Amino acid sequence: SQKIEQNSEALNIQEGKTATLTCNYTNYSPAYLQWYRQDPGRGPVFLLLIRENEKEKRKERLKVTFDTTLKQSLFHITASQPADSATYLCALPPFRRRSSNTGKLIFGQGTTLQVKP
Amino acid sequence: GAVVSQHPSWVICKSGTSVKIECRSLDFQATTMFWYRQFPKQSLMLMATSNEGSKATYEQGVEKDKFLINHASLTLSTLTVTSAHPEDSSFYICSAGLAGGYTGELFFGEGSRLTVL
Repeated sequence: SQKIEQNSEALNIQEGKTATLTCNYTNYSPAYLQWYRQDPGRGPVFLLLIRENEKEKRKERLKVTFDTTLKQSLFHITASQPADSATYLCALPPFRRRSSNTGKLIFGQGTTLQVKP
Repeated sequence: GAVVSQHPSWVICKSGTSVKIECRSLDFQATTMFWYRQFPKQSLMLMATSNEGSKATYEQGVEKDKFLINHASLTLSTLTVTSAHPEDSSFYICSAGLAGGYTGELFFGEGSRLTVL
């Protein structure tokens, strides 16, 4: 099944800058990829979904790209704020075939973002 | 958005006892729910898929007799950790997607932190 790699080191940036987080996957290219935010002691919250035929998706200050050749997704937060500090998780379906997935997701270990004022 | 509620949010129990965690979809029906476990500083590990009206599907390495899952209605799934031991101490999180949505987002509960003494 799929393997997901996210940078385990925390990302520290200054308020107002753009944060860029990376998600790499091995094996096959998924039909879609999702990004979630998780605060300490809480369940993840959905942010964005991007499909394999989409190169880029935006939502307010968030932007996600999906490069199926590089097997990589980049997650950008522009004009970052201290409130953006959290762990960001990349998630994919475990198998290529849709019938095997049935909504199931596997998650990367997440990258913790710290935005300093 | 859809709301998933978990109860209890935290529980402390003695070794050898059983603990039940409830997961409810409050404003939608979920034929499928997913149970995850998360250890500190690690990613969410999918434990099992809970199917309404049928047996749960467990991921490789997860003991079905240890983690009993019941999905008796379209809005409630329960996870029972039987004969809990300190190594079962973890953060358990449930999630659900909207019925029929193979590629949609997952809605997560707030999580239940289990500490086994």
